[in-house]
Amino acid sequence: SAVISQKPSRDICQRGTSLTIQCQVDSQVTMMFWYRQQPGQSLTLIATANQGSEATYESGFVIDKFPISRPNLTFSTLTVSNMSPEDSSIYLCSVESDGNTIYFGEGSWLTVV
Amino acid sequence: GENVEQHPSTLSVQEGDSAVIKCTYSDSASNYFPWYKQELGKRPQLIIDIRSNVGEKKDQRIAVTLNKTAKHFSLHITETQPEDSAVYFCAPREDTGRRALTFGSGTRLQVQP
Repeated sequence: SAVISQKPSRDICQRGTSLTIQCQVDSQVTMMFWYRQQPGQSLTLIATANQGSEATYESGFVIDKFPISRPNLTFSTLTVSNMSPEDSSIYLCSVESDGNTIYFGEGSWLTVV
Repeated sequence: GENVEQHPSTLSVQEGDSAVIKCTYSDSASNYFPWYKQELGKRPQLIIDIRSNVGEKKDQRIAVTLNKTAKHFSLHITETQPEDSAVYFCAPREDTGRRALTFGSGTRLQVQP
């Protein structure tokens, strides 16, 4: 299985600011996914990030708000820009490994005040 | 895109009883059917999965059954224990193309001691 480290694990942010979340994997993976989980809700895919190409965003998510970098096969970042209280969520990085299995990082718990 | 419905949204059972959670999906191209367990404050963890060429898979007290014709699959937990209390998500996926998981709305399982 893949070991995924996310930073920060938790943060309290001022509205209007931006925060970058880092995701580091212990092995090379082709596909990385970023999910958002709002309080008490299910997981919603933000975007798919493949190394060497632009991230593919899901409906309702735009690059200006959630820019993503994928500089190599073990690392990705997600930035939450110009945050508002509605952005308070858990942001989860996930990767595909062991064939088809998708593993998740511990999540980054953001509270916007 | 894939529409996923999960029922029930909450389920309360007595310790030792069985629990069944059902997931219905819309995309006939889906061919990978995992179930994730998320404990409070933790990341989702894969507990069992099945592929479309298999009708049933069992792992100790947990089983998954698939009806591809009817486009639904179910999670079965037997001899439930208090540590089974968590939120369970189904997340069907197509192995080609998009490859991202589409999560159901979740089922909160409470096992009463």
